[in-house]
Amino acid sequence: AQSVAQPEDQVNVAEGNPLTVKCTYSVSGNPYLFWYVQYPNRGLQFLLKYITGDNLVKGSYGFEAEFNKSQTSFHLKKPSALVSDSALYFCAVRDNDNNDMRFGAGTRLTVKP
Amino acid sequence: GAVVSQHPSRVICKSGTSVKIECRSLDFQATTMFWYRQFPKQSLMLMATSNEGSKATYEQGVEKDKFLINHASLTLSTLTVTSAHPEDSSFYICSIGTSGGSSYNEQFFGPGTRLTVL
Repeated sequence: AQSVAQPEDQVNVAEGNPLTVKCTYSVSGNPYLFWYVQYPNRGLQFLLKYITGDNLVKGSYGFEAEFNKSQTSFHLKKPSALVSDSALYFCAVRDNDNNDMRFGAGTRLTVKP
Repeated sequence: GAVVSQHPSRVICKSGTSVKIECRSLDFQATTMFWYRQFPKQSLMLMATSNEGSKATYEQGVEKDKFLINHASLTLSTLTVTSAHPEDSSFYICSIGTSGGSSYNEQFFGPGTRLTVL
């Protein structure tokens, strides 16, 4: 069965600095990988996904993620963080042979002015 | 974290019938629950936000009369797909939102329910 891990419960960065939110995964086949963001009092919102193709995926709000097969990672990145990026971020994985999706526990990103 | 269960995990039904999916928070009183839908080879999409004791808030494009949500208690929310059609076949996931004294509603997800409408 597929699984995903987000090793950091919380990430703190200063506004204007680059940010990285880590995600590693485990699947038996080829992975479909996703990042979602949750703002206060809202449901999850889709940010970006990797299905196939270029390892660097660009998504909403200036976020991008890099698929690294050898390290089984899909870290979320942004070159310059904004205070408004403060939210909960969830990584998710789905085996392309199995539509069941598994989510990480979430990482709380706090961007300070 | 909180434990969320969904029942059933898989259901197959005939076109025109209604199907009820339960989402239970096993160890946490959830004032807010979320319902998501995932189409094959697509990402998750938020359908509605379910608040205990009040009407659910549906996302744009989601038919509230077709997807009935009831959140009658702090541990149970139900999603009823009424007059199901094959295009309703999908993977439905619920999650609970916790307050925990922070400014965020952390979410814990159920395992999902796979609905197949024949």
